[in-house]
Amino acid sequence: QSVLTQPPSVSAAPGQKVTVPCSGSSSNFENSYVSWYQQLPRTAPKLLIYANNRRPSGIPDRFSGSKSGTSATLGITGLQAGDEADYYCGTWDNSLSSYVFGAGTKVTVL
Amino acid sequence: QVQLQESGPGLVKSSETLSLTCTVSGESVSSGRYFWSWIRQTPGKGLEWIGYIYYSGSTSYNLSLESRLTISIDTSKNQFSLKLTSVTAADTAVYYCARKTGSTWGEFDFWGQGALVTVSS
Repeated sequence: QSVLTQPPSVSAAPGQKVTVPCSGSSSNFENSYVSWYQQLPRTAPKLLIYANNRRPSGIPDRFSGSKSGTSATLGITGLQAGDEADYYCGTWDNSLSSYVFGAGTKVTVL
Repeated sequence: QVQLQESGPGLVKSSETLSLTCTVSGESVSSGRYFWSWIRQTPGKGLEWIGYIYYSGSTSYNLSLESRLTISIDTSKNQFSLKLTSVTAADTAVYYCARKTGSTWGEFDFWGQGALVTVSS
């Protein structure tokens, strides 16, 4: 069982908005930044969001991140077929002295 | 553009040692700005951070693997490596090397394509 909790799946129609929640605890979310990774089928994970809400160069602004307390959220607007992927949140856990990932959420475009 | 490439045997016998090397291009592992990391992915457990190494040789390991794990760095070859001893079927996974930015909670901004390692009995 992952330290960070994500729903197994979320879905929405093309063009709509979808949100992916990630729930943690004071040992990981407090005083830390959350990152989000997109893993397309049969590829390596790719950094999507870092420092809670920053996008690396080349990531469209349809992707956004936020964090409040012990929860973080990834938002995807204008959903496209190419966005179908697994999405993982990650951060450092002070109690475990380890970087931890959520179990991943599969985003399906209906 | 930074690129990372894993290499090593794809099949390891149970109780033996898993060894992988990550070759980095486009960035010097000696730059001091990043931590060079290993992460693995199994169908059952998702993504699992294994550990990382700094150019100085200092390391941080996942406590669950620490007793079997060694991560080393070769700055002359711009490579870093992973050795995991006494492997079992539970160590069967896709192993990724990745670059981690410099803060404790820093993100993994570049990843290798991954290397599937199967542990056989």
